[in-house]
Amino acid sequence: QKEVEQNSGPLSVPEGAIASLNCTYSDRGSQSFFWYRQYSGKSPELIMFIYSNGDKEDGRFTAQLNKASQYVSLLIRDSQPSDSATYLCAAPQFGNEKLTFGTGTRLTIIP
Amino acid sequence: DVKVTQSSRYLVKRTGEKVFLECVQDMDHENMFWYRQDPGLGLRLIYFSYDVKMKEKGDIPEGYSVSREKKERFSLILESASTNQTSMYLCASSPGILATNEKLFFGSGTQLSVL
Repeated sequence: QKEVEQNSGPLSVPEGAIASLNCTYSDRGSQSFFWYRQYSGKSPELIMFIYSNGDKEDGRFTAQLNKASQYVSLLIRDSQPSDSATYLCAAPQFGNEKLTFGTGTRLTIIP
Repeated sequence: DVKVTQSSRYLVKRTGEKVFLECVQDMDHENMFWYRQDPGLGLRLIYFSYDVKMKEKGDIPEGYSVSREKKERFSLILESASTNQTSMYLCASSPGILATNEKLFFGSGTQLSVL
């Protein structure tokens, strides 16, 4: 079992709707999670970090963490065409010194 | 702004060649990483380093080695390039322990083609 798993998509969402991206992890010891966004041909950039159970909001983005069920999700409200990208979930491993990524979910916002 | 610079954006090499990929960061970060990214496989960690002259294997170190002689520079070496090493290589750095919200800063990547 992979340490961090995501649906690869692609996921298509109409403009203005809510995009929901999900990630599951296998290591119950994982304490924190990152969401990175990667535009086509570009490098990943951090958009959200969460370490507590529950929700964390930042503008149109909400990260949700459920440690009991071992999943973390990212909600994007009022989706915009500029949100079209690949979203990567990641968790620290090996004493928190390295980051393991999921395979990413490709999101397309349809105008 | 933190800058992570990779020496080449595109590189074409022949099978069996020795290949050096260079990465330099300008923010005195402790940790440096080499990932490769392939369609459907995501980002996979090759090697990382948390100090000068220190290195740790990642998830896919076979066929690769690294060198970190100075804090700001982390080199990835393909001793004898093979076609299955054709990939996008991403270097990254971070100032400290990742679990404490220390993010990775990525370079722009090197697309390596081995023919």
